[in-house]
Amino acid sequence: GQNIDQPTEMTATEGAIVQINCTYQTSGFNGLFWYQQHAGEAPTFLSYNVLDGLEEKGRFSSFLSRSKGYSYLLLKELQMKDSASYLCAVTHNAGNMLTFGGGTRLMVKP
Amino acid sequence: GAGVSQSPRYKVAKRGQDVALRCDPISGHVSLFWYQQALGQGPEFLTYFQNEAQLDKSGLPSDRFFAERPEGSVSTLKIQRTQQEDSAVYLCASSLGAGGIYNEQFFGPGTRLTVL
Repeated sequence: GQNIDQPTEMTATEGAIVQINCTYQTSGFNGLFWYQQHAGEAPTFLSYNVLDGLEEKGRFSSFLSRSKGYSYLLLKELQMKDSASYLCAVTHNAGNMLTFGGGTRLMVKP
Repeated sequence: GAGVSQSPRYKVAKRGQDVALRCDPISGHVSLFWYQQALGQGPEFLTYFQNEAQLDKSGLPSDRFFAERPEGSVSTLKIQRTQQEDSAVYLCASSLGAGGIYNEQFFGPGTRLTVL
């Protein structure tokens, strides 16, 4: 089966940097997605990693190490609107469906 | 709009009732997925359609759950004889492609089902 772990909750200060970690164990790994989900809303796509390394997109960056089964999402210059849940998800084998972790609830404080 | 839409947004059912949840994917999207999200948890896969074909239903929790996409566009998730443990948000997602490594999924706002 698939196992994806990420911290349940994190708190950070406005303007700071926060790193949200995700570890996974899965057979036939294809790629890793990060989604943002505000309370009561749909998950929205943030990033996708299939190769090792860092992908940067504005204030958000995502890193993947396939050999270690590890990813992180880095959020810079935190804003209050970044308070949300961040979902790590993998695709595996030939399937297209996403297998999600439990999500990390990030609270940004003034 | 151009996004994935779902209806109803909220549904309250008495235990034992049947419910039907609708998903309108983005026009032209081949793949359609249903997920179940319990409060405070990540979404869990239920079933997957490629056009009208249901290729994977391994995530459906019981035979009370049934999904269809008869014309390869709109999909309906039906839950028969609802139970309290069925209370969750049901998310629908669609993606343009049908295979390959990368297929970004676009999610609808979900239907929040509460079974009393």
